[in-house]
Amino acid sequence: DQQVKQNSPSLSVQEGRISILNCDYTNSMFDYFLWYKKYPAEGPTFLISISSIKDKNEDGRFTVFLNKSAKHLSLHIVPSQPGDSAVYFCAASARNRGSEKLVFGKGTKLTVNP
Amino acid sequence: DSGVTQTPKHLITATGQRVTLRCSPRSGDLSVYWYQQSLDQGLQFLIQYYNGEERAKGNILERFSAQQFPDLHSELNLSSLELGDSALYFCASSVRGNDGELFFGEGSRLTVL
Repeated sequence: DQQVKQNSPSLSVQEGRISILNCDYTNSMFDYFLWYKKYPAEGPTFLISISSIKDKNEDGRFTVFLNKSAKHLSLHIVPSQPGDSAVYFCAASARNRGSEKLVFGKGTKLTVNP
Repeated sequence: DSGVTQTPKHLITATGQRVTLRCSPRSGDLSVYWYQQSLDQGLQFLIQYYNGEERAKGNILERFSAQQFPDLHSELNLSSLELGDSALYFCASSVRGNDGELFFGEGSRLTVL
């Protein structure tokens, strides 16, 4: 049973345009959400996070939006750059329940074309 | 460089064999996590240790075991290996185990033939 779902295995956008990566979750106990980026032959690296008490968090070109009622979050990258091409993983945890592990989605491969 | 070191980077072995994967967490991090990434799968949580004690267990097979040593490095032991155990095994660490952000190593790629 996948608790964190990334339904788009891949996404292709033009340089300079917006990239929108989506993530859905089923466990209502999740209260902390993160996005990780992974390049080939490297481990995932933390990108941005959001607590369930917020609905938006912004860090430079990256913004994460959280819709708790829909159990949906999205990552916006504006403007997209070729160096953003990577696999993006959505992750969630139930920190208020004492759970420290992250539950990951399967990832979305983003390709930004010059 | 995340500061998390995993060895070996690549490992090829045969079915039925046993292997040990090693992880050194970032300096000062007390919590170590092990994840498995199989083909077309996300990162599956296996097990977490905090300061030498097992903290949480995920979908870890009985053939697999792990431990965290007093110097905080961790080892993941995989035994009676099957073809389906071929995967990338990631180790991650965090400071207190409840920070949310994990720092990942580059992974150990295991191929079982």
